[in-house]
Amino acid sequence: EAQVTQNPRYLITVTGKKLTVTCSQNMNHEYMSWYRQDPGLGLRQIYYSMNVEVTDKGDVPEGYKVSRKEKRNFPLILESPSPNQTSLYFCASSFTGNPSYEQYFGPGTRLTVT
Amino acid sequence: DAKTTQPNSMESNEEEPVHLPCNHSTISGTDYIHWYRQLPSQGPEYVIHGLTSNVNNRMASLAIAEDRKSSTLILHRATLRDAAVYYCILRDGETSNYQLIWGAGTKLIIKP
Repeated sequence: EAQVTQNPRYLITVTGKKLTVTCSQNMNHEYMSWYRQDPGLGLRQIYYSMNVEVTDKGDVPEGYKVSRKEKRNFPLILESPSPNQTSLYFCASSFTGNPSYEQYFGPGTRLTVT
Repeated sequence: DAKTTQPNSMESNEEEPVHLPCNHSTISGTDYIHWYRQLPSQGPEYVIHGLTSNVNNRMASLAIAEDRKSSTLILHRATLRDAAVYYCILRDGETSNYQLIWGAGTKLIIKP
């Protein structure tokens, strides 16, 4: 089944403790992206990747890092999480970044930083 | 990316057609019109997209106005499973910014 998977689905952590949220897709997609969703603010892009070893900042990249060493994986790294990073996170992938292609989303990771 | 305007919420009866409107008066010639929906506690799901012509797929139809300043997502026979927030999004076909710019969307309520 074609899908985007994220792990963990739920995470409660403390301020400053490094964490990684994994994202993997099995559709051989070139383009991958991370979004966060907050009440009243909608979905905002954190980082995106056009292909392996090519990443760029979205609208809200502060406090996050990403890497794209393999085509299928695009982990989101929070080096020193803070409470304002409490949010619902979604990973997405697309065949390419071309706007004529649809994006496929993962099920989400709900992160709470205390 | 150009902005879109959608009603905050709409109600419909089960098994009736639903027409979800979207205004995008500042759309450019290269902007694609995308629709996604988000069911409660799930990730967004692609519904349909188009550029100039009307589009049909297994989930819905997309009717695009001749001047492209508005569009309508049509669910032909709504079920309770279609209750979700529906987002109308414009994606620029020319710039290098490939992100989806999300608005507030329309919350669709389906009454049994």
